Amino acid sequence: DAKTTQPNSMESNEEEPVHLPCNHSTISGTDYIHWYRQLPSQGPEYVIHGLTSNVNNRMASLAIAEDRKSSTLILHRATLRDAAVYYCILRAPFRGSQGNLIFGKGTKLSVKP
Amino acid sequence: NAGVMQNPRHLVRRRGQEARLRCSPMKGHSHVYWYRQLPEEGLKFMVYLQKENIIDESGMPKERFSAEFPKEGPSILRIQQVVRGDSAAYFCASSPAGGNGYTFGSGTRLTVV
Repeated sequence: DAKTTQPNSMESNEEEPVHLPCNHSTISGTDYIHWYRQLPSQGPEYVIHGLTSNVNNRMASLAIAEDRKSSTLILHRATLRDAAVYYCILRAPFRGSQGNLIFGKGTKLSVKP
Repeated sequence: NAGVMQNPRHLVRRRGQEARLRCSPMKGHSHVYWYRQLPEEGLKFMVYLQKENIIDESGMPKERFSAEFPKEGPSILRIQQVVRGDSAAYFCASSPAGGNGYTFGSGTRLTVV
């Protein structure tokens, strides 16, 4: 799986939008872009994933650059409960023995009241 | 609809004892993954199993660690003769066949004293 680059940390104010960037310049044409987050003392939690088109769900939006070399996770209104480490992960289509997700260091998001 | 269940939540072992960590995947999920997270570090993949088969154990330490996912019952991660360096949070994830949609458990926090 190709490598991703994320800022180590970001800060946001409560109820403001947050844009979490991820660079993945070596992404292949079939890699999916997945985002997970890990709240303190909990296991990772799936947030969203996409391939080429922008995606929305109840948790967040994922904006994917036209060349797919970068993407941005958008939290529309940050709450204190969104404080977590956010991981951007590239995932090739599932093939037999290659099942695991490879986590990097992620971005630690702090939300100020 | 229970998620991935891990137990115990906390486990304390003395050096040299054995630790057994259990993971019950989500209903309908046939793939199980184990990850380890050392304090202040990211998640590291350990092993990927399907029922009665180890698919990828490239992240498992060569000695003292073993994993199984029997036909009936939970997946077990077993650590023999624990040492202080084994102190970590161990997370289990499950996914359906096809590999997308990982769900993580809340983890087992192992402390070796």
